[in-house]
Amino acid sequence: QSALTQPASVSGSPGQSVTISCTGTSSDVGYYNYVSWYQQHPGKAPKLMIYDVSNRPSGVSNRFSGSKSDNTASLTISGLQAEDEAYYYCNSYTTSSTWVFGGGTKLTVL
Amino acid sequence: EVQLVESGGGLVQPGGSLRLSCAASGFTFSSYSMNWVRQAPGKGLEWVSYISSSFSPIYYADSVKGRFTISRDNAKNSLYLQMNSLRAEDTAVYYCARAAARSGGMDVWGQGTTVTVSS
Repeated sequence: QSALTQPASVSGSPGQSVTISCTGTSSDVGYYNYVSWYQQHPGKAPKLMIYDVSNRPSGVSNRFSGSKSDNTASLTISGLQAEDEAYYYCNSYTTSSTWVFGGGTKLTVL
Repeated sequence: EVQLVESGGGLVQPGGSLRLSCAASGFTFSSYSMNWVRQAPGKGLEWVSYISSSFSPIYYADSVKGRFTISRDNAKNSLYLQMNSLRAEDTAVYYCARAAARSGGMDVWGQGTTVTVSS
């Protein structure tokens, strides 16, 4: 199972919006609505930010939103804040009954 | 407080074995499916294995199939990962993660335990 494809890095200034893409195949992202996104600060455990494409867990800011079109999912962060600077990983369930992560995207807040 | 605490990591020689544990607290462990996810130094996340709340089904990544065994003891609120025939490429921080109810996300993570495979 190949990893989902994410850009290695994105950046934005405080207050701006950024979007991180996550491209898979018709056997994972395109087949199920089980796409989730995780935020990870250096040396810390991942934190669930979005589940099932577009749902936010309790306690996650509404500045984080998710969507999907065909084989590509996206995470949008609006009103960028310094604390958003972190690595972001997408994840999808697959038709092989496994889960696959993206390679990760480093978000830099300028 | 909902919490997962991993233990059992350490330094092991190639070809050796190690058993990781994950102690759950603050929620009804027997009601949740669980996962192991690992992260090699400086690399991204890699899903390793899944076990249902009812002990079956069980799934593995191709990279560990036949070498790793996931198990759970609901009476002890614990998740395990038996790792055999360890290779250098198994060196990573290993996280246990709770599968969110009725969704595809992993909503609770432990702090991780480090496994180093080296001679």
